[in-house]
Parts: sequence; structure tokens; C-alpha cells
Amino acid sequence: ILNVEQSPQSLHVQEGDSTNFTCSFPSSNFYALHWYRWETAKSPEALFVMTLNGDEKKKGRISATLNTKEGYSYLYIKGSQPEDSATYLCAPTPDNNAGNMLTFGGGTRLMVKP
Amino acid sequence: KAGVTQTPRYLIKTRGQQVTLSCSPISGHRSVSWYQQTPGQGLQFLFEYFSETQRNKGNFPGRFSGRQFSNSRSEMNVSTLELGDSALYLCASSFLATAYNEQFFGPGTRLTVL
Repeated sequence: ILNVEQSPQSLHVQEGDSTNFTCSFPSSNFYALHWYRWETAKSPEALFVMTLNGDEKKKGRISATLNTKEGYSYLYIKGSQPEDSATYLCAPTPDNNAGNMLTFGGGTRLMVKP
Repeated sequence: KAGVTQTPRYLIKTRGQQVTLSCSPISGHRSVSWYQQTPGQGLQFLFEYFSETQRNKGNFPGRFSGRQFSNSRSEMNVSTLELGDSALYLCASSFLATAYNEQFFGPGTRLTVL
């Protein structure tokens, strides 16, 4: 069972602020990392899947970086908007045989005040 | 393309009863995974099916079971319900069962056990 930690647990920011949060996972047992966004009353939505050390992915104002050697990934949101309010979940997988068996961290709950 | 659908959306049962939840994946997707979300434990993996075969199973008691049909639709069953089984049950589908495939989640079934 992977030990996945996300910090902070929750975050309140003002509209327009940029923010970032962290996902930590065992570096010795890594194959891929997933980031999901989960808005209240909706379904989790995939943001990124990352596999390579140093990988950087971007989708609009949201970007993510990956460091597999030290076992962490950062998610950045530039110029937060109220619609960014959601819980952001990361889920590493230890190997390809794990298939779709994702071990989710506890999530970072982001609240953006207008 | 229609998204992942789950039925029923809400369910109330009493302790000791059994329940069956249904998930229809996105057309063409052959992998279906099930997750349980509770306030205390977060989002936890239950099991994954690919082409009617269970590929992975999470750390849940044998009261939790599932199956997948030839049309990729999946059901999960919980027997002898306990109060602690009250949760949101999510299913997710993907085209393949590899660790770098993004999963598409359904709206969930909210189960309340009284």
C-alpha cells in the first residue's frame, strides 16, 4: 500500500492569487502519477498523468511538475479563479501491472474567494 | 459521447441487507474500477475489471464483490451491510488498464446504511 501525502489539507486564497500544493509519494516505488480535480457535486476529473522525472504538464492556468527521484509533485494554479475551487487529488501508481488501481492522497481542498 | 453512468444515484438500506450498484462505462472503454469515498478514509480503491476479469483488488472484506459483463458494464455487490459501508461509491472507466490511462468517473451512488 502506497503512502501518499498531500499538503496542505486546505487552502483559502483570494481571486487572482497564485497557489501551489504538494503531493509526496515513495520514490522507490513509482510508475506514474495522476492528478485529479474534484468539484463539489461533480465527478473527479483527470488533469494530468505524468511518468517521467522532470516532467512538466500544463492545462490553461494549471501546471504540474514531477520529481520521481525525491518523490514529489507540485501542482500550480496561476491567477486563481472562483471556479478553481475544488479538491485536488494526486494518485501515484507503483507499476504498470497496477493498472487503474489508484491510491489517492487525502487531497488539497482549495477555496478561492471572489 | 455519453459519460459514465451509475445507478441508482441514491440508496438507503438497513444493516444486514445486501445491495447491488451498477456502472455503465463510456462506450468503447473496457476497464472499470470502483472506489469508495468516506469522510474518514478518503477515496479508496475497491477493485478493477478488464474484459470481464478482475485485475486488481483493494483491501476490503469479502463482503464486497463485483463483476463485469461482456458489454463492459459492471456491478458491485455488498452483502451483510454495516453502518460503516455508508459512503459514496464511484466507478471509473478507461479504454485500457494501464497505469498511465486517465480514468473517467461517474457521478457516484450515495449509499446510506441505517
